[in-house]
Amino acid sequence: NAGVTQTPKFQVLKTGQSMTLQCAQDMNHNSMYWYRQDPGMGLRLIYYSASEGTTDKGEVPNGYNVSRLNKREFSLRLESAAPSQTSVYFCASSEALAAPSYEQYFGPGTRLTVT
Amino acid sequence: QQPVQSPQAVILREGEDAVINCSSSKALYSVHWYRQKHGEAPVFLMILLKGGEQKGHDKISASFNEKKQQSSLYLTASQLSYSGTYFCGTEGGGAPGGGADGLTFGKGTHLIIQP
Repeated sequence: NAGVTQTPKFQVLKTGQSMTLQCAQDMNHNSMYWYRQDPGMGLRLIYYSASEGTTDKGEVPNGYNVSRLNKREFSLRLESAAPSQTSVYFCASSEALAAPSYEQYFGPGTRLTVT
Repeated sequence: QQPVQSPQAVILREGEDAVINCSSSKALYSVHWYRQKHGEAPVFLMILLKGGEQKGHDKISASFNEKKQQSSLYLTASQLSYSGTYFCGTEGGGAPGGGADGLTFGKGTHLIIQP
């Protein structure tokens, strides 16, 4: 049981390049999330998927797109990377969909630098 | 809206107690607490639900004051392993959503435990 896995672990991009961050979970969770973490800012929600087939914007969605490929996988795409997108990106998943609220399980993160 | 955590940082000697606070300006359904060590993913500690009781395990406990929309995390007789950054994550709206819409995290409280 690997939990939440993310690839790649590290990435350096030049401004304007594109890339996709991959996330997969093997816990049969319904909900999946993408957060970014910047120094002093905490974790901020980019996009989430409450269930397979649905995606919604979070607090900071500009410059990103997502795809919920199936129940296991949720990818984050940067179409034209900018230096402001330099950050650590965390994917998370939870059972969710019903009360009470459920804990979120985080992946190990992807450290992205845009030059 | 991002919850406010206080203090921003605290340094303790091993065996001392600490309290970390989390305040929100909006009605909350739940408050989540996570701990993150440097270079690692956040790890779940506990969830407090609206109408629920104070929770705790080992020497870490938390409370949720619904009237004030505040939660506090209590660390008793701190151990070296408690060092890290503590984040509260809030689920708003006053109604259960199962956490499916993602969490709004505070900026974190840095806790350093010295021997």
